[in-house]
Amino acid sequence: GAVVSQHPSRVICKSGTSVKIECRSLDFQATTMFWYRQFPKKSLMLMATSNEGSKATYEQGVEKDKFLINHASLTLSTLTVTSAHPEDSSFYICSAREVESGHTFGSGTRLTVV
Amino acid sequence: GQNIDQPTEMTATEGAIVQINCTYQTSGFNGLFWYQQHAGEAPTFLSYNVLDGLEEKGRFSSFLSRSKGYSYLLLKELQMKDSASYLCAVMDSNYQLIWGAGTKLIIKP
Repeated sequence: GAVVSQHPSRVICKSGTSVKIECRSLDFQATTMFWYRQFPKKSLMLMATSNEGSKATYEQGVEKDKFLINHASLTLSTLTVTSAHPEDSSFYICSAREVESGHTFGSGTRLTVV
Repeated sequence: GQNIDQPTEMTATEGAIVQINCTYQTSGFNGLFWYQQHAGEAPTFLSYNVLDGLEEKGRFSSFLSRSKGYSYLLLKELQMKDSASYLCAVMDSNYQLIWGAGTKLIIKP
C-alpha cells in the first residue's frame, strides 16, 4: 500500500532556530500533501495544504512566514518552522492524498523547542 | 459550518464489544474515515465508508448512514491493545478531511 515517510521523528532545537521537516511519498506521486499539528489530547488541526508547484494554502490563523511549506516535487513536501519558540513545540504530522478516496499519514515529528 | 461530533471518552471491558458513534455536518461528502491513534503516534487507517451500510474487517466494523449524517465504529472481542483514541473524519467536497476531536477508549481487564 501507499507509504509516506516523515523525517525526523523527533527533534529538539534551541529557541530562535529553524527546523525543517520532510514528508515523502515513497511509492506514489502526491500532488497534494497536508500538514497537521496536534496538541496533547487534542485532534489533528490542519495547518496547510501543500500543492506541488504552487503556493501552499494556509488555514486561518496559521502564520505563513512562520511555517514555510515547499512542495517542489511530486514526492516531497517540506515544512520549516522558522525562529522556533517553545510554544511551537508540538506533534507535526503530514499526509498525502494518493487517490480521491484516501489519505496516508507520515509517522509524525515530535518537535521540542527549548 | 462543518462539525464532527464523537464522545470524548469511553470505557469498556476486555473481551466485550464497544460502539463509538460519530455524527457529522459537512459541506459535501466524499467518504467517512475511522483512524486509530495510540498516544504519541500518528493515526493509522481503520476503515472507509462512502456508501450506506456496514463494512466489516475482522474485529472492527464501521457503519454509515448518509441520510442521518451518522457513523459508528464497532469493536468486538476487545483487547488491551485496543486502548487508544479513535478519530472520525469526513472528506468534504474539496476532498479535505474534517476531523472529530477523537474518542479515547479505555479498556479495563
